[in-house]
Amino acid sequence: GAGVSQSPSNKVTEKGKDVELRCDPISGHTALYWYRQSLGQGLEFLIYFQGNSAPDKSGLPSDRFSAERTGGSVSTLTIQRTQQEDSAVYLCASSSFGLAGLEDTQYFGPGTRLTVL
Amino acid sequence: AQRVTQPEKLLSVFKGAPVELKCNYSYSGSPELFWYVQYSRQRLQLLLRHISRESIKGFTADLNKGETSFHLKKPFAQEEDSAMYYCALKEGSLSNFGNEKLTFGTGTRLTIIP
Repeated sequence: GAGVSQSPSNKVTEKGKDVELRCDPISGHTALYWYRQSLGQGLEFLIYFQGNSAPDKSGLPSDRFSAERTGGSVSTLTIQRTQQEDSAVYLCASSSFGLAGLEDTQYFGPGTRLTVL
Repeated sequence: AQRVTQPEKLLSVFKGAPVELKCNYSYSGSPELFWYVQYSRQRLQLLLRHISRESIKGFTADLNKGETSFHLKKPFAQEEDSAMYYCALKEGSLSNFGNEKLTFGTGTRLTIIP
């Protein structure tokens, strides 16, 4: 079946503009994660969704960052008033863990490369 | 707070030689450790996890709680092993039930020299 998809694959924006990044998880996966990979850094956790709820938003770097998930499926990460330090690759991952109490693998999307000029 | 350290940004190894990618972690509880790999122009994928104690593509990794390490090893490197490798940690606390967020190291780029 189809894996996790993300769009756009690349986004170039000007400082101060808002951007929306989209993630389509694997069908049936209840858990969804957003990570960010900045230049020279490892992947850092941003936010976790279980269904449409986000019980862990601890990784969001500022209140300019927000995310939502609708229908237990598609998620959108929004960055308002983008800054140059927001330039990074944003990765989404999904897994089926959460309801059955069983551990499962996180499957990653291809990422969105965001460049803020 | 938990931390994962991969001391080598770059590692070059000749084909057929042994490979060891280092990973150290700091975490007060009982973690679960993973290795993820990203081949050129492909997405990040799970290579192996310590609780499975399995060997994938000839790679193994043993969790050493005394040394807080989870080094990735392969006895004979192959050209197709060239990739970016990330070590990752998941908290093993029951209070995180449902949340399997990962803490990643900065990665090691492995290049196999023909």
